[in-house]
Amino acid sequence: EAGVAQSPRYKIIEKRQSVAFWCNPISGHATLYWYQQILGQGPKLLIQFQNNGVVDDSQLPKDRFSAERLKGVDSTLKIQPAKLEDSAVYLCASSFFGARAEAFFGQGTRLTVV
Amino acid sequence: AQSVTQLDSQVPVFEEAPVELRCNYSSSVSVYLFWYVQYPNQGLQLLLKYLSGSTLVKGINGFEAEFNKSQTSFHLRKPSVHISDTAEYFCAVSPSNFGNEKLTFGTGTRLTIIP
Repeated sequence: EAGVAQSPRYKIIEKRQSVAFWCNPISGHATLYWYQQILGQGPKLLIQFQNNGVVDDSQLPKDRFSAERLKGVDSTLKIQPAKLEDSAVYLCASSFFGARAEAFFGQGTRLTVV
Repeated sequence: AQSVTQLDSQVPVFEEAPVELRCNYSSSVSVYLFWYVQYPNQGLQLLLKYLSGSTLVKGINGFEAEFNKSQTSFHLRKPSVHISDTAEYFCAVSPSNFGNEKLTFGTGTRLTIIP
């Protein structure tokens, strides 16, 4: 079974530029998550989708971050404009629907803002 | 809201020695508990989880954890570690009410195995 696919693996941009990350979840997984993992910290949930609807985006900095999950499959996370403090690993995860469902994580995209 | 505290940021252990990684949590609702492992430049992989039932949970790679509700703890243990266990370990909690399964992670414990 294919896992959660993310691209790119690495990205370096200058501050104030924009960047986008892509995630393809495991087939059949209705729930998709984006996490931000800053160096030395645990992952922090940015946004949770159920199919193509947003369940929780309370920790998403909406002035600069946006995410969409068109057709309830792939998802894109965008940052515009980027700040130095956005340097982190962005992890995508997916799961079947339900509180007991295990979340499977992708390898992440490491973003460096210079 | 939930919170997770991992008391040790780094734990060095000699190969074949036992190890315990500590995790305490806080929550106003009942929770599910998880341990994830992250190898360098990799995503997170589930080691084990507690949903209900027996408080002693066995996971992959010989790890186990015990849920202690009175002490709000979920410590991870392994009786004999190997070099390949070198990684970052994250404890996480999730509200158990249906439809609200987001994970709150601790800050992680870096386990280093000394040959």
